[in-house]
Amino acid sequence: LAKTTQPISMDSYEGQEVNITCSHNNIATNDYITWYQQFPSQGPRFIIQGYKTKVTNEVASLFIPADRKSSTLSLPRVSLSDTAVYYCLVEIGNEKLTFGTGTRLTIIP
Amino acid sequence: GAVVSQHPSWVICKSGTSVKIECRSLDFQATTMFWYRQFPKQSLMLMATSNEGSKATYEQGVEKDKFLINHASLTLSTLTVTSAHPEDSSFYICSARVGRGDEKLFFGSGTQLSVL
Repeated sequence: LAKTTQPISMDSYEGQEVNITCSHNNIATNDYITWYQQFPSQGPRFIIQGYKTKVTNEVASLFIPADRKSSTLSLPRVSLSDTAVYYCLVEIGNEKLTFGTGTRLTIIP
Repeated sequence: GAVVSQHPSWVICKSGTSVKIECRSLDFQATTMFWYRQFPKQSLMLMATSNEGSKATYEQGVEKDKFLINHASLTLSTLTVTSAHPEDSSFYICSARVGRGDEKLFFGSGTQLSVL
């Protein structure tokens, strides 16, 4: 299983763009990169998934360089409600998933 | 997206009793479901992989006789914490994939278990 490394915590002000980078040096050819968001006392929620280059949806963008050894989740114009823990996972098919430490993002008014 | 329903949301029980947590996939069939536990301020820890129609696969250090998993249908997996003790108090979360080829996991809302 590819391990992931993320910053433990980040702070940002409302309205700013937030970029959270995840390192996954041992990513395999058929691995996808997926980001989840978790609020206290709730299950994680899928945010975005990608394999290479850039993916964008209504809530975030995911940037993946050519070597795929890292990825960056970009949250545009964050609000207080974006305060949560963000997990980066590297997945293969039906293989079990291991969560890393995640990044605790705190948005400051 | 797909919906995974988990019940109950919270439960308080006396030490020595057993507690059952249900995880249902509402709008899809899940041949595989995963059970996690999470302590405050910590990440999710995978406990076991639940396979429909067969025995669950437990992670190292997780007692299979303590945490009974049953996946009797394609839409329901249950986790029973037997003879619960205060150290079993934790947040338990289930998840499922929609199917082969879909790499996303969908999670239940979690169950907060407090053992007195």
